Amino acid sequence: AQSVTQLGSHVSVSEGALVLLRCNYSSSVPPYLFWYVQYPNQGLQLLLKYTTGATLVKGINGFEAEFKKSETSFHLTKPSAHMSDAAEYFCAVSASGGYQKVTFGTGTKLQVIP
Amino acid sequence: SAVISQKPSRDICQRGTSLTIQCQVDSQVTMMFWYRQQPGQSLTLIATANQGSEATYESGFVIDKFPISRPNLTFSTLTVSNMSPEDSSIYLCSAARDTDSGANVLTFGAGSRLTVL
Repeated sequence: AQSVTQLGSHVSVSEGALVLLRCNYSSSVPPYLFWYVQYPNQGLQLLLKYTTGATLVKGINGFEAEFKKSETSFHLTKPSAHMSDAAEYFCAVSASGGYQKVTFGTGTKLQVIP
Repeated sequence: SAVISQKPSRDICQRGTSLTIQCQVDSQVTMMFWYRQQPGQSLTLIATANQGSEATYESGFVIDKFPISRPNLTFSTLTVSNMSPEDSSIYLCSAARDTDSGANVLTFGAGSRLTVL
């Protein structure tokens, strides 16, 4: 079984500051890891995913995440926050291979302060 | 990726009634899913909508309460039956395709926000 823990339900950063959203996972098998973003009144959109290979994954809108197996983490970062980054971010995990159930974290709301 | 349309986008319902949510995908997809999103909680998978057969429900969800149909590879419905205020939530339709890099990438609709009075 897989599970995800997102630390911090709300994160505030100043415009231009580093964005760091934390995600730790638990999985008994090699995981696939995802970050999704949800803007108000919209569905979730995939930001980036890790399946195999390079552990530093780059996504859309300047976001990236690093898979650290030893720390069971998949934190999301962006060097410089933009006002348009204000949204809710969900970390998710599934087992690898074929279609597997995707388990989501509780989400982190990012506020960007001008 | 696929584009998913859901309707209604929101509704206010009376206790004891039922509401059907429709989900239309603009291309054929292998798998469709229904999630529930409650404030402060993670997305919870209700069921996998199987084309041509009965849906596969997750623990805590039953067919009598959440009947699901999937008549073809682009359409599914979720009915919330005999609603109570506890059913107030956002219901999300999602889809996955075999060709999504071999991983389980989901595309989501904008959701249906239900309020039960």
